[in-house]
Amino acid sequence: SYVLTQPPSVSVAPGQTATVTCGGNNIGEKTVHWYQQKPGQAPVLVVRDDFYRPSGIPERISGSNSGNTATLTISRVEAGDEADYYCQMWDNNREHHVFGPGTKVTVL
Amino acid sequence: VQLLGSGGGLAQPGGSLRLSCAASGFLFDDYAMAWVRQAPGVGLEWVSVVSGSGGDTYYADSVKGRFTFSRDNSNNMLYLQLNSLRPEDTAVYYCAKGRSWGSDTAFDYWGQGIVVTVSS
Repeated sequence: SYVLTQPPSVSVAPGQTATVTCGGNNIGEKTVHWYQQKPGQAPVLVVRDDFYRPSGIPERISGSNSGNTATLTISRVEAGDEADYYCQMWDNNREHHVFGPGTKVTVL
Repeated sequence: VQLLGSGGGLAQPGGSLRLSCAASGFLFDDYAMAWVRQAPGVGLEWVSVVSGSGGDTYYADSVKGRFTFSRDNSNNMLYLQLNSLRPEDTAVYYCAKGRSWGSDTAFDYWGQGIVVTVSS
């Protein structure tokens, strides 16, 4: 089955840039989505189809996908960005959705 | 868009529960719908997805043969029947709306979560 890998945690100072990676075999050939989840809340879609932002998501959040790594970038990090971030894709071969294990972003 | 889940609670191992999700604010049968769960302290796990028409339904290996996902497009309702429950099914279950009709979509709206506890 297709496996997505993410770093367990990323720490970043306010105003700096946080980079969250999502690794997978030739993931650049697939379509990746990203979700933000704060404690006790439901997930929120922050990037869809590799790099599109849903309405209401700030331009500071962006996505890219190439080779074996998809990347979520949060620029000018704010305290409110502290959350768990999950990548997700559709495994066409198995007709399954797959979530990455999640990355906890901590704002120092 | 609103997704209002109900039906969780405590079940014994081997028991059953039925989760419901009432959808409103969008053309229900134009969109795929899904269930995603989250065990305590753990990440998100996809459970099942159904296409807009209900013609295509897919399940995670961990629940296939035990859970049944159905949708009632006449009443804008989703149902997840959980049978042969195991302690590892303990989780918060979210219903989620797909961005498109097909099952391979992202999920742009999520319900508030339904707590399911499986314990003797």
